[in-house]
Amino acid sequence: DAMVIQNPRYQVTQFGKPVTLSCSQTLNHNVMYWYQQKSSQAPKLLFHYYDKDFNNEADTPDNFQSRRPNTSFCFLDIRSPGLGDAAMYLCATSSTSGGEQYFGPGTRLTVT
Amino acid sequence: QKEVEQNSGPLSVPEGAIASLNCTYSDRGSQSFFWYRQYSGKSPELIMSIYSNGDKEDGRFTAQLNKASQYVSLLIRDSQPSDSATYLCAGFSGTYKYIFGTGTRLKVLA
Repeated sequence: DAMVIQNPRYQVTQFGKPVTLSCSQTLNHNVMYWYQQKSSQAPKLLFHYYDKDFNNEADTPDNFQSRRPNTSFCFLDIRSPGLGDAAMYLCATSSTSGGEQYFGPGTRLTVT
Repeated sequence: QKEVEQNSGPLSVPEGAIASLNCTYSDRGSQSFFWYRQYSGKSPELIMSIYSNGDKEDGRFTAQLNKASQYVSLLIRDSQPSDSATYLCAGFSGTYKYIFGTGTRLKVLA
């Protein structure tokens, strides 16, 4: 089945210790997104890629970076995690702008 | 600021009843709308998409869009306890950006 995969599903890191979350997709979609979602809140868009074109949201902290080495993979790097970065990180894809968006299972990040 | 608003709930309905979930949006330019179901601790799962005014049915789910009034709704017929979840409404506001509401928590009582 075509799908969006995220690894790891759970990540525990120490305050200030860099962490990388990964996302892969077999849907062959052009657009990949990273969202942050905290409890009882709406998913918050951090950035997206259309093919290799990177688009950063204005309010995404500089602490968050992303890489998309090819169509299938996308990474979220958090350079110096703070306690406030503890959240669910969601990767999503869509084939077109405005089309249906499909989410991976998410990575639950805990910062100690 | 483009917004999507939902009543946070919880909305409680008895098993077998129709659950009606509503969403309003501020951006008149929004063209596409989506309903997601999200179980606690899980990621959003796409249930329905709707692009034009009127109703769209898929199994027990019906999405309704009224662009003049800027609202979107989701009806769930024959509600089951397994439908208990948070339902997120999202609108596409252009330039690859989807705006999400904070969700309505639905509880289906057995």
